[in-house]
Amino acid sequence: NAGVTQTPKFQVLKTGQSMTLQCAQDMNHEYMSWYRQDPGMGLRLIHYSVGAGITDQGEVPNGYNVSRSTTEDFPLRLLSAAPSQTSVYFCASRGLGGAANYGYTFGSGTRLTVV
Amino acid sequence: GDSVTQMEGPVTLSEEAFLTINCTYTATGYPSLFWYVQYPGEGLQLLLKATKADDKGSNKGFEATYRKETTSFHLEKGSVQVSDSAVYFCALSEGQAGTALIFGKGTTLSVSS
Repeated sequence: NAGVTQTPKFQVLKTGQSMTLQCAQDMNHEYMSWYRQDPGMGLRLIHYSVGAGITDQGEVPNGYNVSRSTTEDFPLRLLSAAPSQTSVYFCASRGLGGAANYGYTFGSGTRLTVV
Repeated sequence: GDSVTQMEGPVTLSEEAFLTINCTYTATGYPSLFWYVQYPGEGLQLLLKATKADDKGSNKGFEATYRKETTSFHLEKGSVQVSDSAVYFCALSEGQAGTALIFGKGTTLSVSS
C-alpha cells in the first residue's frame, strides 16, 4: 500500500544512546518532514527536506540529525538520547505545490521512551 | 510568528449531539487551513481543508469555513457518532508554498452511546 512507513513502532533507549528512526515513502513526494508530538503541545516540526540532498531545521531541531540521500528515505538520528526526547515521532510527506494542493501523508508514528 | 489556537479538551458528547471545536489563527500572510484527525494509535489523517477566505471545507459530515475577518476555522458536525472519538488538530500552512504545517495543541473528542 502506498504511504509513509515508519520503523520501529516502539523503542526504549537509555540516556546517551544513539539511534535512527526510519521513514520511507513510495509516493515520489519531494517534501518530507519529522514532527514530535508531546501531550498538550500539539505537533512540532523538527527537520524537513524539500528534496534529495536538501534539509533544513524546524522549530525544535536540537539533538536531532537528518539527511536525505534519496527521494524515498528520510531518517531521523538521535545523537545522544535524553529523557526530554521521550515523545511520539511522526514522519510526513507531500508532493510539490504546497500543502494547499497536496495534503500531507503521515506515518503511524514511533513511540520513543528514553530512560 | 504564525500560530494556531484551538479550544482545550476533552470534549465529551452523547451520540447525535452537535459538535463545535473552535480554532483561531494568527498569520501575516494568507495561509491555508486544515483540520486533521488522529484516531487512537494511528497517525494523522487530513479531514478537510480550505485555501482562501470564505472557502468551506467538508468531509464525512464535518465542515469548517475559512473566516478571514475573525481569523477562525471552527470545526462543526451536526450529529456525532461514537466512531468520531479521536483527537482533532487545527493547522495552517504558511502560504501557497508553505514548507511546514503549524498545529494547534489538539482537542480530544469522546462520544458515548
